[in-house]
Amino acid sequence: SQTIHQWPATLVQPVGSPLSLECTVEGTSNPNLYWYRQAAGRGLQLLFYSVGIGQISSEVPQNLSASRPQDRQFILSSKKLLLSDSGFYLCAWSVGGSGYEQYFGPGTRLTVT
Amino acid sequence: QKEVEQDPGPLSVPEGAIVSLNCTYSNSAFQYFMWYRQYSRKGPELLMYTYSSGNKEDGRFTAQVDKSSKYISLFIRDSQPSDSATYLCAMSAPGGYNKLIFGAGTRLAVHP
Repeated sequence: SQTIHQWPATLVQPVGSPLSLECTVEGTSNPNLYWYRQAAGRGLQLLFYSVGIGQISSEVPQNLSASRPQDRQFILSSKKLLLSDSGFYLCAWSVGGSGYEQYFGPGTRLTVT
Repeated sequence: QKEVEQDPGPLSVPEGAIVSLNCTYSNSAFQYFMWYRQYSRKGPELLMYTYSSGNKEDGRFTAQVDKSSKYISLFIRDSQPSDSATYLCAMSAPGGYNKLIFGAGTRLAVHP
C-alpha cells in the first residue's frame, strides 16, 4: 500500500530564516506530487505541483520554491521566511496520468515568529 | 464568485442524526468529485470519490452529485461523535495535471 510522509511535523522559525520541508511517498512510482498551504479556518491553496522529476509548476508566485530531486521526493523551500508564510503545509500525491483522487500527508505546522 | 462554495458552518447535531453537507460549483467542466474529512491538526482523508451524476454509498456515507444543478452533497447516517471534523469537498475537470479545486470546508460537531 502507499504511504506519504512529511517532516518535520511542527516547526517554529524566525522571520528571515530559511525553510526546507520534505515529503516522500512510498509504494507507488511516478506519482503526481502537490504542495498545499492551509491557513487557519480556510481552504487549501495549491502552491506547487509536479508530474515528474525536475518538473515543477507554480500556482501562486510567492516567497516559496519547490524541487523534486527524486521520483518520490518533493521539497518545499524558502530562502527567507515572512510572517505570512505561517500555516499548515500539506503534501499530496495522485496516480500519475489519470488519477484524480489526491492522498494527503500528515502535514507540517509552520509558525514564523 | 468562487468556483466552489461551501458553507463553513459550524454544524452541530446530536448523535444519531442524519447530516447533510453541501457544495455548489460554477464550472460545468467539473466531472470528478471528492469528499475529504479532516480532523483537527491532521491531513485531509479521502472519504468518497464519484464521477458524473448520481449516488454512491459507502457504509454510513452517501455522496450525491447533481450536475444539472451544479450541486453535490455528502450524507452521513447515524452520525457519531467520531464524525466530528471538517469536511471538504473537492472537484476536478478532465485533463491537465488533475488539479483539485477545494471548498473552504464545513465544520461538523456531533454531540453525544
